[in-house]
Amino acid sequence: KAGVTQTPRYLIKTRGQQVTLSCSPISGHRSVSWYQQTPGQGLQFLFEYFSETQRNKGNFPGRFSGRQFSNSRSEMNVSTLELGDSALYLCASSFLAGSYNEQFFGPGTRLTVL
Amino acid sequence: DQQVKQNSPSLSVQEGRISILNCDYTNSMFDYFLWYKKYPAEGPTFLISISSIKDKNEDGRFTVFLNKSAKHLSLHIVPSQPGDSAVYFCAASYNQGGKLIFGQGTELSVKP
Repeated sequence: KAGVTQTPRYLIKTRGQQVTLSCSPISGHRSVSWYQQTPGQGLQFLFEYFSETQRNKGNFPGRFSGRQFSNSRSEMNVSTLELGDSALYLCASSFLAGSYNEQFFGPGTRLTVL
Repeated sequence: DQQVKQNSPSLSVQEGRISILNCDYTNSMFDYFLWYKKYPAEGPTFLISISSIKDKNEDGRFTVFLNKSAKHLSLHIVPSQPGDSAVYFCAASYNQGGKLIFGQGTELSVKP
């Protein structure tokens, strides 16, 4: 079974631009969560989607948004990029929603904002 | 506010010995705890979990202990192997929410 895939793996943007990251969950998984990893803040929860509905949201500004499609694939968008948005963005999928279900992580997208 | 804390950024252990990684939390609402392992350039990999109704869970060489009164959990790896060298994150959640709150991670180095 193929794992969670994220595209692109690396991205360089400049301040003020916007970016869209993509995540394809493991086949059959309907829940997708997004996390941001930075050296200073560690792994922080962004949002969780299940069956195209946002189920949970972390403490991030409105510049961070996401969506999930009917095939469970998910995208997250960051508008008006800031230097502090440079991070590794991780996507995780699970069969059902809720943390009692094991979450499988993708390799992440490394975003650098210049 | 760091609700989940791993106070040791690094730990070095000899091959064959026990590795003990510690994690403290502040939110008494947490009812599910997990440990993940992360290699460089890869996403975290689930290791083991424990519900708050238990105080111990074992899976092969890995055992997680939960002390609710102290709001403390630990991961024991016995025996430690060089392939266990990685960053270990503890995480917590509550109310079946998909939101995992992670600690800062502990880098384990197992020396041959």
